Amino acid sequence: SAVISQKPSRDICQRGTSLTIQCQVDSQVTMMFWYRQQPGQSLTLIATANQGSEATYESGFVIDKFPISRPNLTFSTLTVSNMSPEDSSIYLCSVEAPREGAVTGELFFGEGSRLTVL
Amino acid sequence: LAKTTQPISMDSYEGQEVNITCSHNNIATNDYITWYQQFPSQGPRFIIQGYKTKVTNEVASLFIPADRKSSTLSLPRVSLSDTAVYYCLVGSGGYQKVTFGTGTKLQVIP
Repeated sequence: SAVISQKPSRDICQRGTSLTIQCQVDSQVTMMFWYRQQPGQSLTLIATANQGSEATYESGFVIDKFPISRPNLTFSTLTVSNMSPEDSSIYLCSVEAPREGAVTGELFFGEGSRLTVL
Repeated sequence: LAKTTQPISMDSYEGQEVNITCSHNNIATNDYITWYQQFPSQGPRFIIQGYKTKVTNEVASLFIPADRKSSTLSLPRVSLSDTAVYYCLVGSGGYQKVTFGTGTKLQVIP
């Protein structure tokens, strides 16, 4: 299993500013995933962060807007840059950890960071 | 990349069995079917996973027909605390390319 801590849990931000979300995992993991969940919607994968290499971004998400750091195997940050009201969402950090006796792993999520941009 | 289709919402009374079906017509040979549950203000959490036939754990059962083009999550005797969104995911492990579908919002009524 994996326990994930995210900070901040929520924030209210002004248009044009940037905010960095931190994600700490209690075990070493190869890949960390960042998702966005807009109000009442499903989860959308923003990017995958591997330690020691550039993050891999999904279609519609770019590094300039969502820079990611992955300095070690237990920590990652996601920055939401030059925010607009459309960036108001919950941002979730996730990791995959193995399941005992199973072929595939299991995704574990943080509690999320709820951002409101005014 | 298999896409999933689920009902947007379902209502059920407490104590009833709830079955949520997911369609995944393009499932690949190596793909597994996994269900996640998400409560408000929380991240999703794993419920159950299967490849074929039937899987049961302490929380739910998962029924997968022989053609694997659909699956049904069965929640026995639901309670109010089962009110949540349930997501069906299809993939072969390595969640880098797994897509969360719309999910099914289950509302349990007293």
